[in-house]
Amino acid sequence: DGGITQSPKYLFRKEGQNVTLSCEQNLNHDAMYWYRQDPGQGLRLIYYSQIVNDFQKGDIAEGYSVSREKKESFPLTVTSAQKNPTAFYLCASSIQLMNTEAFFGQGTRLTVV
Amino acid sequence: AQTVTQSQPEMSVQEAETVTLSCTYDTSESNYYLFWYKQPPSRQMILVIRQEAYKQQNATENRFSVNFQKAAKSFSLKISDSQLGDTAMYFCALSSARQLTFGSGTQLTVLP
Repeated sequence: DGGITQSPKYLFRKEGQNVTLSCEQNLNHDAMYWYRQDPGQGLRLIYYSQIVNDFQKGDIAEGYSVSREKKESFPLTVTSAQKNPTAFYLCASSIQLMNTEAFFGQGTRLTVV
Repeated sequence: AQTVTQSQPEMSVQEAETVTLSCTYDTSESNYYLFWYKQPPSRQMILVIRQEAYKQQNATENRFSVNFQKAAKSFSLKISDSQLGDTAMYFCALSSARQLTFGSGTQLTVLP
């Protein structure tokens, strides 16, 4: 089955630690995205990538980093510089960056303890 | 910058009734797409319906339809014959040459 897989579903992190969220897609989509979801604020764009080895900052990139070494994979690292990392993180992909719908993974709930 | 505004944080509707969710947007692009996504308690984002801005005809998918008013930059979602499984957070989204932008969502509860 084609789709987007995010892992893990739940993640706990101690303050001061970096943590990496995985996102893999087998839809052969060029574009991939990371969104953060907080209660009452909808989805906010962290980073997006149009093609392999290229990515751009979204609206709230501070404290996050990404890589796009393979078309299928777009991991997100939440660094210790992110002041309030506890949130629900959604990865998405689309055929192209522009004018097209996105398909989403099931999300990762990150909690800082 | 493009924006998407959903002014109804919460709504409720009786089972089998009809409900309309509102969405307004702003963009300088002439070519764009609009979407409604549903996020049930499982938190999986599911595409409900899409509308190409260049099409005047309103999109329809079974019980779901939109009222697209391009000049007013309005894109409302109508759910007919509401079912308990329609209970979810609904997000309006705008995709253009710049990016994919989401509204803050409307929590819809269908009451038995």
